[in-house]
Amino acid sequence: GENVEQHPSTLSVQEGDSAVIKCTYSDSASNYFPWYKQELGKRPQLIIDIRSNVGEKKDQRIAVTLNKTAKHFSLHITETQPEDSAVYFCAAKPNTGNQFYFGTGTSLTVIP
Amino acid sequence: GAGVSQSPSNKVTEKGKDVELRCDPISGHTALYWYRQSLGQGLEFLIYFQGNSAPDKSGLPSDRFSAERTGGSVSTLTIQRTQQEDSAVYLCASSLMGLAGSSYEQYFGPGTRLTVT
Repeated sequence: GENVEQHPSTLSVQEGDSAVIKCTYSDSASNYFPWYKQELGKRPQLIIDIRSNVGEKKDQRIAVTLNKTAKHFSLHITETQPEDSAVYFCAAKPNTGNQFYFGTGTSLTVIP
Repeated sequence: GAGVSQSPSNKVTEKGKDVELRCDPISGHTALYWYRQSLGQGLEFLIYFQGNSAPDKSGLPSDRFSAERTGGSVSTLTIQRTQQEDSAVYLCASSLMGLAGSSYEQYFGPGTRLTVT
């Protein structure tokens, strides 16, 4: 089955700097890759997603890149703000079956 | 409109007792997932319901875990003879996935924090 690895597990950046979180996956049949943000004590919420037919997607300060050959995808947050502090999860969904396979999360702290 | 709701928000139970966790998905969402989130870990898939199809139970960790979804809406996750390692946050999510052209986005509930003493 699919195996998703996520790095780093913790990340601290100064306000205004960029943050990058990376995930790798094992199943070449995966074709959908969402990123979820979970603030402390709250539920995960989708912030951006990408399908395997594109290499990059951007939404304001957030972007996701996908390298299908290398089987990795990354979340990029620019001009970080304290409210970006949260745990971020990546996930991969194979084109068969119903499961989403989640990474173990990255705890991002933005230092004012 | 109303989001996904779960009850109870917190549950403390003694080892060996059975517990039932409830999920109310967003109205009209045909897909429903249950996940388990242990401290500092990612989301572990448990079970998936899609419309009237047979559920995908491949993520259930043991036969003490079961779930049902009545009328294609509310779902209950039952854990029998609870063990301390069952302590975790149990999250439910719903989506429109499965309908032609629909998004895969999952909307999560607030979770039930289960503590087995």
